[in-house]
Amino acid sequence: KAGVTQTPRYLIKTRGQQVTLSCSPISGHRSVSWYQQTPGQGLQFLFEYFSETQRNKGNFPGRFSGRQFSNSRSEMNVSTLELGDSALYLCASSSRAGTGGTEAFFGQGTRLTVV
Amino acid sequence: QQQVKQSPQSLIVQKGGISIINCAYENTAFDYFPWYQQFPGKGPALLIAIRPDVSEKKEGRFTISFNKSAKQFSLHIMDSQPGDSATYFCAASGQAGTALIFGKGTTLSVSS
Repeated sequence: KAGVTQTPRYLIKTRGQQVTLSCSPISGHRSVSWYQQTPGQGLQFLFEYFSETQRNKGNFPGRFSGRQFSNSRSEMNVSTLELGDSALYLCASSSRAGTGGTEAFFGQGTRLTVV
Repeated sequence: QQQVKQSPQSLIVQKGGISIINCAYENTAFDYFPWYQQFPGKGPALLIAIRPDVSEKKEGRFTISFNKSAKQFSLHIMDSQPGDSATYFCAASGQAGTALIFGKGTTLSVSS
């Protein structure tokens, strides 16, 4: 079985721009969760989608948004980029709703650098 | 109440030694406690997980010890190898449908 695929692997954007990241979950998994990883804050939950519906959201500003398509692929969008948005963005897929209480598989992440 | 506190921040262990990483939580609603291993340039990979109905779970060289009354859990890596050098994260969550809350991570270095 193919793992979780995130594209692109690396991105460099300028402050004020917007960016879209993509995640393809493991085949058959309907839940996709997004996490931000930074050296200072560690791994922080952004949001989770299950069957195209956002089920859970972390404590991030509205500039961070996402969506899920009927094939379970998910995209995450960050608008009006700030320097502090530089991070590794990780996607996790699981067969049941949420990454909690169940085995969650992470992709390799997208390294976003905002300059 | 949502925090998971992890210690130490970094750890150096001799090859063949035991690595011990500790985590503590406050939220009594947490009932799923996984450990993840992350190598540079990779995403976290699930190592082992435990639920509060057992006090210990062992998989190969990796053991989770769980103390429900103290709200603490720990990861023990027996016979540590240089290939175990990575960052380890503990996490906690409620039932299915909730998000994982991660500790800040422990960077383990196993010297040969």
